[in-house]
Amino acid sequence: GNSVTQMEGPVTLSEEAFLTINCTYTATGYPSLFWYVQYPGEGLQLLLKATKADDKGSNKGFEATYRKETTSFHLEKGSVQVSDSAVYFCALSKAAGNKLTFGGGTRVLVKP
Amino acid sequence: DTGVSQDPRHKITKRGQNVTFRCDPISEHNRLYWYRQTLGQGPEFLTYFQNEAQLEKSRLLSDRFSAERPKGSFSTLEIQRTEQGDSAMYLCASSPGGTSGKETQYFGPGTRLLVL
Repeated sequence: GNSVTQMEGPVTLSEEAFLTINCTYTATGYPSLFWYVQYPGEGLQLLLKATKADDKGSNKGFEATYRKETTSFHLEKGSVQVSDSAVYFCALSKAAGNKLTFGGGTRVLVKP
Repeated sequence: DTGVSQDPRHKITKRGQNVTFRCDPISEHNRLYWYRQTLGQGPEFLTYFQNEAQLEKSRLLSDRFSAERPKGSFSTLEIQRTEQGDSAMYLCASSPGGTSGKETQYFGPGTRLLVL
């Protein structure tokens, strides 16, 4: 079946540091890939997505590239802010049902 | 704001009681999904609807769980004879219809259930 594996947290960084959260997936065919973010006390929000190989999704300074050859979709940001403190979820979906399969989430804490 | 809404936001119940949650999707979205999220884990798919038709149910959805979307708009998720293991956040999401797998799902704030 489909699965998503992402690095466990928490990840603790200083402001302006570089952030990478690794995500790899197992799926047949060509899934779409997503990063969702959950800020404290809030619901899940889409951060970015990529729907085919070599696509790059980007939003709010975050980027992730869909790498079919390594089945990965790593999330990066060049300079984090305290406001980026949240839990980040990598997910995939397949055609037809479009249901999302999520990774376990990575908590990121950015300190001033 | 016309995002996904869920009611109630919190529910505390005693083991063995029945509970019902409601989800109102974004109005033009014809797909509606239910997920469950336990503490420290990612959400897990429970079921989804295309308009009023329930098209898929996860094996996580035991026979104590039932979901409906009678008119293709709002949906309800009922849990009968609740157990302590049902304690979780129940998330609803909606998306436009389509079979490409590329559609974005928009999530509601969730209903947090605690079974005592």
